[in-house]
Amino acid sequence: DTGVSQDPRHKITKRGQNVTFRCDPISEHNRLYWYRQTLGQGPEFLTYFQNEAQLEKSRLLSDRFSAERPKGSFSTLEIQRTEQGDSAMYLCASSLATLGQRMNTEAFFGQGTRLTVV
Amino acid sequence: AQSVTQLDSHVSVSEGTPVLLRCNYSSSYSPSLFWYVQHPNKGLQLLLKYTSAATLVKGINGFEAEFKKSETSFHLTKPSAHMSDAAEYFCVVRWNTNAGKSTFGDGTTLTVKP
Repeated sequence: DTGVSQDPRHKITKRGQNVTFRCDPISEHNRLYWYRQTLGQGPEFLTYFQNEAQLEKSRLLSDRFSAERPKGSFSTLEIQRTEQGDSAMYLCASSLATLGQRMNTEAFFGQGTRLTVV
Repeated sequence: AQSVTQLDSHVSVSEGTPVLLRCNYSSSYSPSLFWYVQHPNKGLQLLLKYTSAATLVKGINGFEAEFKKSETSFHLTKPSAHMSDAAEYFCVVRWNTNAGKSTFGDGTTLTVKP
């Protein structure tokens, strides 16, 4: 399977614990995105990377959240000191943008990591 | 502020009848527009996309959408609904080709009755 993969698919954690999620994008894609989706809502943008550079962060991404893409391939999203409000589906997506950025393909999404904070 | 509005949170149709899911966006530019479908316990799948070429866009599974700049709309249609079309549908806007961020509507749940 050459799609976007996310690990784990499900995570239950106690309030106050730290969690880390991993995303492996489609191999030739240079852009990687993180979104959060809560029940009954559409996905909300969190952040995105162009290769290893984090180019934009949403105000939703509090200082408890950090994302990395160290070698421009896979990415991790860490949430420190989790709160019950962090319970959501965390979605990763990737796309290919040309060097001149005049073309950017559609985003291909993984199946997400469902986080439950108890 | 830039926004995407899906005008119906729920749409119910009978199998074999037409489907119309409505989407409006606010923008003074010509954005890239997408429709995604999400089946339970499955990832988001692209149905179709508009990227400043033909205004009538055909997608997978018989869906199509028409970009109307004057109305800032991008409604999704299908002539004849199938039971397997029951899912959540999202209208998505990328405000310019260069943008990293995309904005999702709140979604429309499509129910198909036998």
